[in-house]
Amino acid sequence: AQTVTQSQPEMSVQEAETVTLSCTYDTSESDYYLFWYKQPPSRQMILVIRQEAYKQQNATENRFSVNFQKAAKSFSLKISDSQLGDAAMYFCAYRSGAGGTSYGKLTFGQGTILTVHP
Amino acid sequence: NAGVTQTPKFRVLKTGQSMTLLCAQDMNHEYMYWYRQDPGMGLRLIHYSVGEGTTAKGEVPDGYNVSRLKKQNFLLGLESAAPSQTSVYFCASSYPLSGGANTDTQYFGPGTRLTVL
Repeated sequence: AQTVTQSQPEMSVQEAETVTLSCTYDTSESDYYLFWYKQPPSRQMILVIRQEAYKQQNATENRFSVNFQKAAKSFSLKISDSQLGDAAMYFCAYRSGAGGTSYGKLTFGQGTILTVHP
Repeated sequence: NAGVTQTPKFRVLKTGQSMTLLCAQDMNHEYMYWYRQDPGMGLRLIHYSVGEGTTAKGEVPDGYNVSRLKKQNFLLGLESAAPSQTSVYFCASSYPLSGGANTDTQYFGPGTRLTVL
């Protein structure tokens, strides 16, 4: 079974600065997808960014980018120019790419609480 | 287009009581999921469904039952609630048959906070 580990229970950053959240995973598969979800105090789960394992290029979405190291099984999220609205719990998640048997099921990490200081 | 909705948003039960959580999606998604979120443990999959009339167990299915009689609805039942089931429950859906980009992206409901006394 796959496991996802977020070793930073809490992180903090100054507004306009850059912060990196860490995520490592364990899998024997070669085809899979990785995601970062944001959960603000409203509790709503919001997809931030996704990465296909077969793509070497790191995904980017505006101020959010990832550092995907497939050999090291590492998938970190970098937030540039941090804003107060970025304060939230962030979850890393793994999805198997195994054909029709994975059914899109996600395995989540424990989460990292990000605080943004003005 | 409401996306994924959950009913109720909050509920308090006594040990041994039963209840049903309702999830509805209007995106014509084939797959639906129920997760629970507990502090320090992230979200864990309880049950899922890959189509109308089908259900399957996830990582933590004990104490829960589910049904998907209609494609747009996925019900989570607790027959005899226990304090260990105090949690925040999330429903999600994915995989529109119409295809398009990122069909595997899961869309989440707003969550239900359940307390079992």
